[in-house]
Amino acid sequence: DGGITQSPKYLFRKEGQNVTLSCEQNLNHDAMYWYRQDPGQGLRLIYYSQIVNDFQKGDIAEGYSVSREKKESFPLTVTSAQKNPTAFYLCASSPREGVNTEAFFGQGTRLTVV
Amino acid sequence: AQSVTQLGSHVSVSEGALVLLRCNYSSSVPPYLFWYVQYPNQGLQLLLKYTTGATLVKGINGFEAEFKKSETSFHLTKPSAHMSDAAEYFCAVSWALTGGGNKLTFGTGTQLKVEL
Repeated sequence: DGGITQSPKYLFRKEGQNVTLSCEQNLNHDAMYWYRQDPGQGLRLIYYSQIVNDFQKGDIAEGYSVSREKKESFPLTVTSAQKNPTAFYLCASSPREGVNTEAFFGQGTRLTVV
Repeated sequence: AQSVTQLGSHVSVSEGALVLLRCNYSSSVPPYLFWYVQYPNQGLQLLLKYTTGATLVKGINGFEAEFKKSETSFHLTKPSAHMSDAAEYFCAVSWALTGGGNKLTFGTGTQLKVEL
């Protein structure tokens, strides 16, 4: 079945560490996205990529980095510069064409700073 | 800028009662609107979407939403709530990104509780 796989489901990070969240899709979508979800704030866009080897900052990119070396993969690194990284992170993908096409979401990674 | 506002962060209904979750949008161009549902510790699943054409949109699990341009609203309804409907619901507006793909702007979500 086609879909988006995020791993790990739960991740614990010590302060000062970088951690990388994995996102893989087999939907053949060009566009991929990372969102952060905090209680009562909805989802906010961190980074997006519309094509391999290209990505753009979203609304809250500070303290995060991404890469897009393969169409299927869009990993997110939460760096030590992110002051409040504890959150639920969601990866999504969509076709490039058409503003009315929906985004498909992974099951999320819950990151906790310990 | 486009945005959505969801009125009511928590809604509680009895099983079998009408479900009404409110969403108002702000958009300078014809909007593309979506409703997503999220179960605990899971990703988002599309319930329905409005693009153009018919203003009453039917989705999965018996949900529907009506696009009302005059009221800038896209409220989600279901005639009879079921226990399995308990979840968080997000309204979102989409617009095209330069170079392809869409940016979704989400509301803050409404937690639906269904009581016996």
